[in-house]
Amino acid sequence: QVQLVESGGGLVKPGESLRLSCAASGFTFSDYYMSWIRQAPGKGLEWVSYIHSRSASIYYTDSVKGRFTISRDNAKNSVYLQMNSLRPEDTAIYYCARFARVYSSDWPFDFWGQGALVTVSS
Amino acid sequence: EIVMTQSPATLSVSPGERATLSCRASQSVGSNLAWYQQKPGQAPRLLIYGASTRATGIPVRFSGSGSGTEFTLTISSLQSEDFAVYYCQQFDHWYTFGQGTKLEIK
Repeated sequence: QVQLVESGGGLVKPGESLRLSCAASGFTFSDYYMSWIRQAPGKGLEWVSYIHSRSASIYYTDSVKGRFTISRDNAKNSVYLQMNSLRPEDTAIYYCARFARVYSSDWPFDFWGQGALVTVSS
Repeated sequence: EIVMTQSPATLSVSPGERATLSCRASQSVGSNLAWYQQKPGQAPRLLIYGASTRATGIPVRFSGSGSGTEFTLTISSLQSEDFAVYYCQQFDHWYTFGQGTKLEIK
C-alpha cells in the first residue's frame, strides 16, 4: 500500500535551517509529481512546493521562494525540502503528498504522510 | 491567487442527519475542486475530486456537486466517524484551500 513517511522536523531558531525528508513506498515513485503542504498549528492548509516526476520543473509558493528548495532522489524513492532562513511564521506541520495521477500536477493530493512538525522559535 | 471560502465555519448536526457544506471560489475553477476530511492528529484524506467523483474507498454517503465558483459537499446520513474538519481545495490555478468547516455533533 502507498506510504509516505516524513522525518527531519524539530525546533530551530529564526534564521536557522532544517531539511525534511519524505520516504515513499508502495507505488512507482518516479511516475508521480510530489508536493509539500503545510499546516500551522490550529490553522488551515497551505501548499508550499511541488516537483516534477523527473525534477524537470519546480514551483514554490511566494512566501518561501528563495528560502526553501525541493528536490528528489528517485533511486531512493524520496523527496526533500531544504528550509533555510526559517521564520516563526514557518512553524507548521509539513506534509508530503502525492498528486493523484501519474505525470501530472493537474490533480489533487490522494496520499499524504503523517507530517513533520517544524517549530521556529527563539 | 484564487481564494476559497467555506461556510459555515462550524456546523452542528445530529448523527443520522444530513450535512451540507459549502465552498465558494473567488473566480471560476471549473470542476477542478476537491474535498478533504481531517481528523485531529491525522493528515487530510481525499474524499472527492473533480467536484463530484468519490475517491477510492469513500462511502457513497459522501457526495459533491457544483462547478465554476459554487460547490457543495453533502453527507447524507452522518456516522460518528464523520465528525471532523472538512476542507475544499482548488487545483485549477495552483493550489489553494478553504479555511475549513468543523462538523461537530449536535
